[in-house]
Amino acid sequence: AQKITQTQPGMFVQEKEAVTLDCTYDTSDPSYGLFWYKQPSSGEMIFLIYQGSYDQQNATEGRYSLNFQKARKSANLVISASQLGDSAMYFCAMRENDMRFGAGTRLTVKP
Amino acid sequence: GAGVSQSPRYKVAKRGQDVALRCDPISGHVSLFWYQQALGQGPEFLTYFQNEAQLDKSGLPSDRFFAERPEGSVSTLKIQRTQQEDSAVYLCASSLGGGLAGEQFFGPGTRLTVL
Repeated sequence: AQKITQTQPGMFVQEKEAVTLDCTYDTSDPSYGLFWYKQPSSGEMIFLIYQGSYDQQNATEGRYSLNFQKARKSANLVISASQLGDSAMYFCAMRENDMRFGAGTRLTVKP
Repeated sequence: GAGVSQSPRYKVAKRGQDVALRCDPISGHVSLFWYQQALGQGPEFLTYFQNEAQLDKSGLPSDRFFAERPEGSVSTLKIQRTQQEDSAVYLCASSLGGGLAGEQFFGPGTRLTVL
């Protein structure tokens, strides 16, 4: 069964605007971690942000913030002030014992 | 270097050949993960080590896939009798602790092409 769902195969955003990338997950375990990774065309996986299931506050890292809605099982990534270099694939992932990734969203930032 | 390294970066194998992919995690990192990433897809979990113990191998697609980390540092993913469907990028990642949290640092991957 699919545990991580990213419903947006592709997204476009204007430079300097904010964009939200959707992620929903499925688990019955009360303890889990949620991650977002960026994968540019060069292929490396770059860690962006982490949210623990017991964390009370939404995680933030610079221009990245995670909109964590536990009851809805969603963990959307918000990128503020988009830059051209943000164009990449973005993967949401959940760790229970193993680590499961979504199918990804390709973000394109337009000048 | 300070990051996760993988070798070889590219491997071309004939169908039926055995291959061995190496991962050097960041020194001192307890956890090590292997993933398979097909073109245009997200990484698929294969297996997970905590030190030398393989705690989860539920993602290995068949008994042709075998992974080891005998001394709790370097890991090798072996694929026997390769098939065309094994063609993918194999990613290795390590993290400092053994818990749920903790950033996973990824290596550059090994691109395997099976002809």
